[in-house]
Amino acid sequence: GIQVEQSPPDLILQEGANSTLRCNFSDSVNNLQWFHQNPWGQLINLFYIPSGTKQNGRLSATTVATERYSLLYISSSQTTDSGVYFCAVVAAGNQFYFGTGTSLTVIP
Amino acid sequence: EPEVTQTPSHQVTQMGQEVILRCVPISNHLYFYWYRQILGQKVEFLVSFYNNEISEKSEIFDDQFSVERPDGSNFTLKIRSTKLEDSAMYFCASSVLGARQETQYFGPGTRLLVL
Repeated sequence: GIQVEQSPPDLILQEGANSTLRCNFSDSVNNLQWFHQNPWGQLINLFYIPSGTKQNGRLSATTVATERYSLLYISSSQTTDSGVYFCAVVAAGNQFYFGTGTSLTVIP
Repeated sequence: EPEVTQTPSHQVTQMGQEVILRCVPISNHLYFYWYRQILGQKVEFLVSFYNNEISEKSEIFDDQFSVERPDGSNFTLKIRSTKLEDSAMYFCASSVLGARQETQYFGPGTRLLVL
């Protein structure tokens, strides 16, 4: 199946800092989503972004499908942004392949 | 906003017991999915279900697992004889169209612990 790699694996930020999380995938994709897994384990949809750029408040995402990567930007980070960020892709079929995640800790 | 719900939120069972995890997908959705996440690892696809049959399944989804849509609202995952390694968070998801075409919406998960 398709390989999905995320970097960095771990990130520690001071509150108010900006960050960029990266997702690389090994094949063409039809769907890409970013999720935030909160400390209770819930997967929160952030973006459905198979291509292009989207923004939602302090978060934005860009997917360059032809170069097989996606970026998630977090600006002015807050402690509530802490958790694990996953990207997930769909190539053929109907299954998501999840990346290994970036664990973000925002300290006050 | 409509959401996927799952019950129970936590379940503890003895090895060898059968468990049934329940999900209520969003009402107008047609595609349903189960995923699992072993503690500290990434989320893994188990099975997708459309038009009352399995459309795709992973290697993890062996004969110990089964899915069913017993009525118009529920979608269940059954594990026939649980093993220690089945301990994980199980997520249900649903979408109107197939996963290639739009967002999948995930439920809050059921945390299963097999002793």
